[in-house]
Amino acid sequence: QKEVEQNSGPLSVPEGAIASLNCTYSDRGSQSFFWYRQYSGKSPELIMFIYSNGDKEDGRFTAQLNKASQYVSLLIRDSQPSDSATYLCAVGRTPGGSRLTFGEGTQLTVNP
Amino acid sequence: EPEVTQTPSHQVTQMGQEVILRCVPISNHLYFYWYRQILGQKVEFLVSFYNNEISEKSEIFDDQFSVERPDGSNFTLKIRSTKLEDSAMYFCASNDQGGAYEQYFGPGTRLTVT
Repeated sequence: QKEVEQNSGPLSVPEGAIASLNCTYSDRGSQSFFWYRQYSGKSPELIMFIYSNGDKEDGRFTAQLNKASQYVSLLIRDSQPSDSATYLCAVGRTPGGSRLTFGEGTQLTVNP
Repeated sequence: EPEVTQTPSHQVTQMGQEVILRCVPISNHLYFYWYRQILGQKVEFLVSFYNNEISEKSEIFDDQFSVERPDGSNFTLKIRSTKLEDSAMYFCASNDQGGAYEQYFGPGTRLTVT
């Protein structure tokens, strides 16, 4: 079983739609959860982090965490072509470690 | 906005050669990390560093790898004898809280071993 598993892509949505990205993790000790955006050939850019169960909203982005189900998601509302990128889910075990464990990413394409 | 910087952006080296990848973390950050991403694969943790000591390292970070804070601003990753399979993007990251809290990545160094 992969440590961090993301829904296989690619995911294609029309401009203005909601994009939904999902991630499950295997380590029940995970306490910190992150969504990074990675454009092709570029470095991961942190766009959301969440540490508590529930929803966290930041602009057009909403992260949702359910530790009991070991599930974290990212919703992107009013998707724009500039949102087209690979979205990486990462989890950490803090305290108790400093590493982030990444999933393989979901490629999102927003069509104008 | 402060950011992590890395040099060089691209390094080509021959197998068996030593390479040093350099990073300047965000100025008020005290915790530093190296990750790598082989083309088409996921980002993998290599090592974390705080107070001039390695805090945590992964199975990838073997004796061929070392890290150093040679001065007050730079953080380096040295690969002693490069192998073909070391070809990857190497990302430096930093944060101010330590642990697995928000980590901010630099632009990366693409290492090509021929």
